[in-house]
Amino acid sequence: EIVLTQSPGTLSLSPGERATLSCRASQSVSSNSLAWYQQKPGQAPSLLIYGASSRATGIPDRFSGSGSGTDFTLTISRLEAEDFVVYYCQQYGGSSFTFGPGTKVEVK
Amino acid sequence: EMQLVQSGAEVKKPGESLKISCKGSGHGFSSYWIAWVRQTPGKGLEWMGLIYPGDFETRYSPSFQGQVTISADKTISTAYLQWSSLRASDTAMYYCARRATYSASYFDLWGQGILVTVSS
Repeated sequence: EIVLTQSPGTLSLSPGERATLSCRASQSVSSNSLAWYQQKPGQAPSLLIYGASSRATGIPDRFSGSGSGTDFTLTISRLEAEDFVVYYCQQYGGSSFTFGPGTKVEVK
Repeated sequence: EMQLVQSGAEVKKPGESLKISCKGSGHGFSSYWIAWVRQTPGKGLEWMGLIYPGDFETRYSPSFQGQVTISADKTISTAYLQWSSLRASDTAMYYCARRATYSASYFDLWGQGILVTVSS
């Protein structure tokens, strides 16, 4: 099973700043098979990015994804108030889905 | 557009059985894999398994194989997750989620979640 590690666990930034979230896989992941989700308090996760770099429907362009192999990045170019929540990466391989532990973006 | 609506919160005792549901509204329920995902503070998000209501093909995570049963009734656009004997460790939030396409690697639509509490 591919294990995903996310760093940092918590990211403290101010509104307007740039956020860079990392997701590292224990073995190579197809770029087609890496997704990012956002989870707001009390809500289900919602899809942000799929295929490592494609934004889901309705996702603003301040969110971008990149990476390949074992290292992937979610970047939020300018943090807005509603972006201070938790983000998860997820991969699919070997007929199995796994999620990372999450990164919480908090207000500094 | 499809929505996934889950049944309400449950409070159960260890050893009891439980079946929770996820109903799809809108068109096409039978044409999408529906997954179940567990969320706990300790282990985060865990994929449990999924079912294709069109032909009832079901796949389980090795971690949950034999621990739960996933089923579906395509006539009422509903997927189910059930336990025959609950444990305290089954206390969690459970989400259903739609696999975006037949072979997609991600979930594009989620239910609102069901909180299951197992306590004596």
